[in-house]
Amino acid sequence: GIQVEQSPPDLILQEGANSTLRCNFSDSVNNLQWFHQNPWGQLINLFYIPSGTKQNGRLSATTVATERYSLLYISSSQTTDSGVYFCAVEYGGTSYGKLTFGQGTILTVHP
Amino acid sequence: SAVISQKPSRDICQRGTSLTIQCQVDSQVTMMFWYRQQPGQSLTLIATANQGSEATYESGFVIDKFPISRPNLTFSTLTVSNLSPEDSSIYLCSVEGLRQGSAFFGQGTRLTVV
Repeated sequence: GIQVEQSPPDLILQEGANSTLRCNFSDSVNNLQWFHQNPWGQLINLFYIPSGTKQNGRLSATTVATERYSLLYISSSQTTDSGVYFCAVEYGGTSYGKLTFGQGTILTVHP
Repeated sequence: SAVISQKPSRDICQRGTSLTIQCQVDSQVTMMFWYRQQPGQSLTLIATANQGSEATYESGFVIDKFPISRPNLTFSTLTVSNLSPEDSSIYLCSVEGLRQGSAFFGQGTRLTVV
């Protein structure tokens, strides 16, 4: 099956700092999503981004499908950004709606 | 985006018992998905639940341990049977959004087996 690797595994920031999270995948994908899991376990959709660049407030994401990676940018980080960030991909013709997740990046933002 | 209600949000169960988790969606969806997240780990797909047919299980997951029901297009249940401490995890249901491949998740069920 496909391999999804995220880096870095852990990231500690001071409030106001910027960061870049990376997701590499080993095969062509149909779709890619970024999620934020808050401390209560809720998974929040951040971006649906199989290719191209999107921005939503302080967050933006870029996927370069031909080079099999995606980047999530967080600017002016806040303590509420803390949590785990997951990249997940859908691949293959029969995998409609099924996601394979990376191992996540644990982000801690200190005040 | 779909609104997904998952119950219970958390439970503590005795080993050897079973827990049934409910997932209700505010719109009709063809497929629903159940995931497991073990402590400190990522999410792993357990099975895909289609209305009117048996669930399709991923490698390493079996129907006897994780029976799934899908009685209609807005509801599904996952039962975790014969609980052991190794079953302590967060269980999440998911549906696909209007855009192919965009998934939405319930708030999860945090299960602790003692």
